[in-house]
Amino acid sequence: NAGVTQTPKFRVLKTGQSMTLLCAQDMNHEYMYWYRQDPGMGLRLIHYSVGEGTTAKGEVPDGYNVSRLKKQNFLLGLESAAPSQTSVYFCASAQSAPTTQYFGPGTRLLVL
Amino acid sequence: GQQLNQSPQSMFIQEGEDVSMNCTSSSIFNTWLWYKQDPGEGPVLLIALYKAGELTSNGRLTAQFGITRKDSFLNISASIPSDVGIYFCAGQRRNKLVFGAGTILRVKS
Repeated sequence: NAGVTQTPKFRVLKTGQSMTLLCAQDMNHEYMYWYRQDPGMGLRLIHYSVGEGTTAKGEVPDGYNVSRLKKQNFLLGLESAAPSQTSVYFCASAQSAPTTQYFGPGTRLLVL
Repeated sequence: GQQLNQSPQSMFIQEGEDVSMNCTSSSIFNTWLWYKQDPGEGPVLLIALYKAGELTSNGRLTAQFGITRKDSFLNISASIPSDVGIYFCAGQRRNKLVFGAGTILRVKS
């Protein structure tokens, strides 16, 4: 039972490049979330999903897109990376309410 | 922007000391949670509080849900070196959690 996994663990991008971060969970959870973590700012919600085929905007959605085509996967896309998107990205999942969220190990992204 | 005020921002304490941190908000939350994040890892849930006035313990950790539903407190008794990390409070609003900025805890052995 792997829980929540994230791919890749670390990535360096040049400004303007695109990439997709993958989150996978094997707990059959309905809810999935993408956060970014920056020093001194805690975790900020980017996008979330309350079920397969659904997505919704969080607190800081600009510059990101998401898709939840399969229940177990939640993809975060950056179409044109900017230095301001340098951050650590965390994915989380929860069964039926956001209270008990299980977090992945994070993806460190550096945009030059 | 950030809707939860968490304090202190950081603490450097002696092993064996008790630790207190708190979180306040200008708005009401129905659920308060406390997470701990170890270096290089994702946050892990420590305690969840579902009712105003609730006091809940998890080992050496005790957390309280404020009566006004606008604040919460976390206490760690007899701190040990493995308590180091970042502690986050979070409040639930509909399908989402709002996180505080975190309290960095460093313990002197």
